[in-house]
Amino acid sequence: EIVLTQSPGTLSLSPGERATLSCRASQSVSSDFLAWYQQAPGQAPRLLIYNVFNRATGIPDRFSGSGSGTDFTLTISRLEPEDFAVYYCQHYGTSLTFGGGTKVEI
Amino acid sequence: QLQLQESGPGLVKPSETLSLTCTVSGGSIRSSTYYWGWIRQPPGKGLEWIGSIYHSGSTYYNPSLKSRVTISVDTSKNQFSLKVVSMTAADTAVYYCAREFSDTAMVYGYWGQGTLVTVSS
Repeated sequence: EIVLTQSPGTLSLSPGERATLSCRASQSVSSDFLAWYQQAPGQAPRLLIYNVFNRATGIPDRFSGSGSGTDFTLTISRLEPEDFAVYYCQHYGTSLTFGGGTKVEI
Repeated sequence: QLQLQESGPGLVKPSETLSLTCTVSGGSIRSSTYYWGWIRQPPGKGLEWIGSIYHSGSTYYNPSLKSRVTISVDTSKNQFSLKVVSMTAADTAVYYCAREFSDTAMVYGYWGQGTLVTVSS
């Protein structure tokens, strides 16, 4: 089973700043099966990115995904107030696992 | 638009069986080409995938939960269900049902609001 480690645990930033979130896999992720979700307090997760860099429907282009192999990154180019939330990466393939999350706080 | 709604007990006693149902509206399970899944989240913690099912009944389970979990589908009612046996306090969580966003990627683009299940005597 692939284990996903997200860093940092918490990211303290201000609106308008750039956020860079990391997701590291314990072994190489095949076929770029890596996704990112955003979860606001009390809400269900929202799919942002799948297959490493593809934005889901309706996701603003300030969100971008990159990476390959074992190292992946979610970048939020300019933080909006609604972007302060917890972010999870997810691997899918023969099984499905989530990272532990990164909280982006003001 | 597609909507998913979880239903079931909010409180389960230790060692008992949890049964949850997800009712789908705005789309048909029978005619979809997507997997439907269950994911849970203990209070204040991260997400854990439980398993997924196709309209044919084909299933995938998290290996760590497989021995205690059964997911089934009832296309006539447009519902799918989760059963977890031998519940313990560690199973206390918000349980979400969800649908794949793409039939080429097991990622979840549609979610229910979630239902909190507490295990306590």
